[in-house]
Amino acid sequence: AQSVTQLDSQVPVFEEAPVELRCNYSSSVSVYLFWYVQYPNQGLQLLLKYLSGSTLVESINGFEAEFNKSQTSFHLRKPSVHISDTAEYFCAVRNQAGTALIFGKGTTLSVSS
Amino acid sequence: NAGVTQTPKFQVLKTGQSMTLQCAQDMNHNSMYWYRQDPGMGLRLIYYSASEGTTDKGEVPNGYNVSRLNKREFSLRLESAAPSQTSVYFCASILAGGPDTQYFGPGTRLTVL
Repeated sequence: AQSVTQLDSQVPVFEEAPVELRCNYSSSVSVYLFWYVQYPNQGLQLLLKYLSGSTLVESINGFEAEFNKSQTSFHLRKPSVHISDTAEYFCAVRNQAGTALIFGKGTTLSVSS
Repeated sequence: NAGVTQTPKFQVLKTGQSMTLQCAQDMNHNSMYWYRQDPGMGLRLIYYSASEGTTDKGEVPNGYNVSRLNKREFSLRLESAAPSQTSVYFCASILAGGPDTQYFGPGTRLTVL
């Protein structure tokens, strides 16, 4: 069965520091991977996704993620975080049947000054 | 274009009471989903509807029923609420079952006493 493991439940960092949120997946079929962000008291929003092609995908607000097939990982990175990046981040993989997404348990990113 | 809307935003029930959570999307999406979000558990799929007229169980369907009323609306019903159903419920929709972006509603925070 497919699964997603987010290796850190909480990541505290200082403003302008780099950050990496780790995500590993298990899947035996073609992989479609997603990162969603949830700001406090809001729904989830798509941050970025990997469908095919270049293994490095970027978001409009400076995040990037790299699909690594050999390590079955899709880690999310940002070279310099802002206070406004404080949120919960979810990694997800499309299920084998193509009918739904399987989410990880989430990583809370807390950025302080 | 409101996207995905959910009502109510908040609800408090007593054990044994029933209620229906409403969800509607105006993006002409085919597939709709109900998730619950609990601390440390991520999002878990309750039910989904791949297309109008069809519904399928997800990971945690027990205690819930759904109705795909038409292409726009997908409701979630708790027939006899239990404290274990205290959670935040999210509705989501997607154009098709493939790797398209899944859009989320703002959530319903339900407390069962």
